[in-house]
Parts: sequence; structure tokens; C-alpha cells
Amino acid sequence: NAGVTQTPKFQVLKTGQSMTLQCAQDMNHNSMYWYRQDPGMGLRLIYYSASEGTTDKGEVPNGYNVSRLNKREFSLRLESAAPSQTSVYFCASSANRGRDLVQYFGAGTRLSVL
Amino acid sequence: DAKTTQPPSMDCAEGRAANLPCNHSTISGNEYVYWYRQIHSQGPQYIIHGLKNNETNEMASLIITEDRKSSTLILPHATLRDTAVYYCIVRVYRETSGSRLTFGEGTQLTVNP
Repeated sequence: NAGVTQTPKFQVLKTGQSMTLQCAQDMNHNSMYWYRQDPGMGLRLIYYSASEGTTDKGEVPNGYNVSRLNKREFSLRLESAAPSQTSVYFCASSANRGRDLVQYFGAGTRLSVL
Repeated sequence: DAKTTQPPSMDCAEGRAANLPCNHSTISGNEYVYWYRQIHSQGPQYIIHGLKNNETNEMASLIITEDRKSSTLILPHATLRDTAVYYCIVRVYRETSGSRLTFGEGTQLTVNP
């Protein structure tokens, strides 16, 4: 039972490089989310997709773009990485059927930008 | 969404109950209380949630005061594996924004042998 799968688990980039973080869920959930977590801090929402075909900005969207490729997959793209984007990135999904708001998280992608 | 206040850290002896408080004095009638935890370096894990009644599942119990201004998460027999940061989150469901969660800094629970 995979749940939410994130790839890659680790990545090192140079300033200015681009990359895409991948996320897939196998729970047939409607909503998906991208968070970042800096050392010693709570999670902050970057972007989310309430349903297939829609995306919205969260608390810290600058420097990122997202694509809800289909119901299963939600990718996060850094077009020109900066050292300030060094962080752990978590993807999550939730059913959002009725009042079921529980989010399930992936294991995270640890990104360092040099 | 209502703001929550949690102590930054707590300690608990292994085998004893861990009682984690959360203050949410500005909570409104349609806001749920959610608890998640994050074990070091892992993704957050859902524990339990409630609206106004006390709730219990296989992981924990949630006690919400009658005025709903505070709640307590209870881990009845804490183990070393329960050492984690525990987040209390208050959230209302909005059709247009789904279930966006706002994570604060949580409580670092350390279970000691």
C-alpha cells in the first residue's frame, strides 16, 4: 500500500538550475498539496490542487510552479533554484469527500541548493 | 482559521500517559481540531480529529473542552517511538479551498526510558 510517493528522495542543485519534484498518490484522492519545511520550523503550504484541473497558491508560492498532471500526480517545478529554496519538500493528498479532510503525507524530498 | 497555542516542549516517561495541551480560544463553531505528529525527518502523520465530542482511536484520545477553547491529546501509554513533534491545527472546510492546513511550530514530545 504505497500511499503518497515522492521522487527523488534527495537532490543537490546549483544556483540557477531547474528541476521537477514528482508526487503520486494511489488513494484516488481529489486534493493534493506541496509544503516546504525549513529547519526547526513547521510546514508551509506552497501550492495546492483542490481537484483535478485546478491549482492555487498557498502561503509561499514565489519561485515555484505546479502541474496537476492527472488525478494521481502533482508535480512541483523550480525554474531557477536559489539557496533560499534549500528545504525539505512534502507532498500530501486528501480525499475531500464530504468532511473528510485528513491529509496523508509522503516521505519528503530533501533539496540542497548550492 | 483559528490560531493555536502549544507548549514548545514536553517530557514523558515511557509507559505513562502523555497529555499534550492546545489552546484555540478563537475557534468558531464549524472549525475542527486536528492533531498530526512528525517523527524526525519523516512526513507528518495524522493522529485524530474532532469537532466537539471527545474522540478515541487506536493511536490516541482527543478531549475537547465544553467551550471548545482548548483540547488535549492523550497518548495513553507512551513509548519511545512516540517521540515526535505534535501539531494541533484548527481548520474549517471551505468548498473553494479544500482542506488547507496551517502548521505552527508544535510541541516536541520526548519520551524518556
